[in-house]
Amino acid sequence: QVQLVQSGAEVKKPGASVKVSCKASGYTFTGHYIHWVRQAPGQGLEWMGLINPNTGDTKYAQKFQGRVTMPRDTSINTAYMELSRLTSDDTAVYYCARESLWPAFDIWGQGTMVTVSS
Amino acid sequence: DIQMTQSPSSLTASVGDRVTITCRASQSISTFLNWYQQKPGNAPKLLIYAASSLQSGVPSRFSGSGSGTDFTLTISSLQPEDFATYYCQQSYSTPRTFGQGTKVEIK
Repeated sequence: QVQLVQSGAEVKKPGASVKVSCKASGYTFTGHYIHWVRQAPGQGLEWMGLINPNTGDTKYAQKFQGRVTMPRDTSINTAYMELSRLTSDDTAVYYCARESLWPAFDIWGQGTMVTVSS
Repeated sequence: DIQMTQSPSSLTASVGDRVTITCRASQSISTFLNWYQQKPGNAPKLLIYAASSLQSGVPSRFSGSGSGTDFTLTISSLQPEDFATYYCQQSYSTPRTFGQGTKVEIK
């Protein structure tokens, strides 16, 4: 079936970087944008950016410009989100999501908890 | 950036009640409006896309309406499994902004 499977929970120290993976299966990986959304504990959903897996083109939220990259590896149908210079404010669950032909997020990964703590 | 404002932030309702949640965009977004349901510990789930189209597998008690700047999600008869947080999202432009969420709790 169509699914996105993310990598496991991470604990990082302030100033470090984290890289979360999102493996797609059950559909043509290059046919749909992948978005990244995060959710801090008890808070709402925050859009971080997107990648076009076909071209590698990316677009990032202004808030994360210079601190986030979203590469992909089409040989293994996997998208990544790397966030650098982590602070405690980056403690959150990070989700990848597939964008459907109508721009909506129809398939979501299970989420990856990233904890930033000294 | 387009700002999305939901109301109310929370509501308390009983099983069988009709529930309405509203979402307002800071500028016209045509019908590029989606609704998601999120239960604790789970990823969001797409309920409604294009303002009024029901995602496959979603019960027909959920419906959406609106265009331009004002939108509504309606649950015609609230069921126990509907107690959750609901988010609207605009897909007219990037950043793909979300509303702040509406938590639906049991009375």
